[in-house]
Amino acid sequence: QVQLVQSGAEVRKPGASVKISCKTSGYSFTTYDLHWVRQAPGQSPEWMGWIQGITGYTKSSGNFQGRVTFTRDTSANTAYMELSSLRSDDTAVYYCARPYDSSGYLSFWGQGTLVTVTS
Amino acid sequence: DVQMTQSPSSLSASVGDRVTLTCRASQSIGVYLHWFQQKPGKVPKLLIYVASHLQSGVPSRFSAGGSGTDFTLTISGLQPDDFATYYCQQSYSTPWTFGQGTRVEI
Repeated sequence: QVQLVQSGAEVRKPGASVKISCKTSGYSFTTYDLHWVRQAPGQSPEWMGWIQGITGYTKSSGNFQGRVTFTRDTSANTAYMELSSLRSDDTAVYYCARPYDSSGYLSFWGQGTLVTVTS
Repeated sequence: DVQMTQSPSSLSASVGDRVTLTCRASQSIGVYLHWFQQKPGKVPKLLIYVASHLQSGVPSRFSAGGSGTDFTLTISGLQPDDFATYYCQQSYSTPWTFGQGTRVEI
């Protein structure tokens, strides 16, 4: 079955960077896109961007002003999200998620990774 | 960006009630609208995809519809397990956007 397993919780100081992994299994890694979504405490989810399965092309939300990078290791079926210049309002649970198909509905989700930004 | 507005922001209901949640997009998004249920500390769970299609394993008391800019999610016969926050999300254009949520309380 499809599984997305994320790396563990992180604590960072303002200005630092964090890199989260999302290890996938149960499907062909390069066939499907992977999306990243975050959710700050008490807030609704926020889409961060995606990495295309076939080409590795990436697109991020303009809300992150170039601070976010999506990469992948196809040999390890793993995707990564790196967020730099962290601020306190980047404190959130970060999720990777996979659409069922090209219609874009996120059927499969990782368990989430809590990132806490504190001085 | 497409703005998604949900109403109400919260509602109180009883077991067995029928409730309808609304989601409005700031521009037409066709049927590229999906509904999620989320409980505290849990991962969002897909309920409805492409406006009206019930995700596998989701009880039939959930139904949804709409197109263009106006969408609804109806729960017919609320069950204790349904008390949660519900989010709509559009995948018509990037950046994908979520509504602010409707909290369904007892």
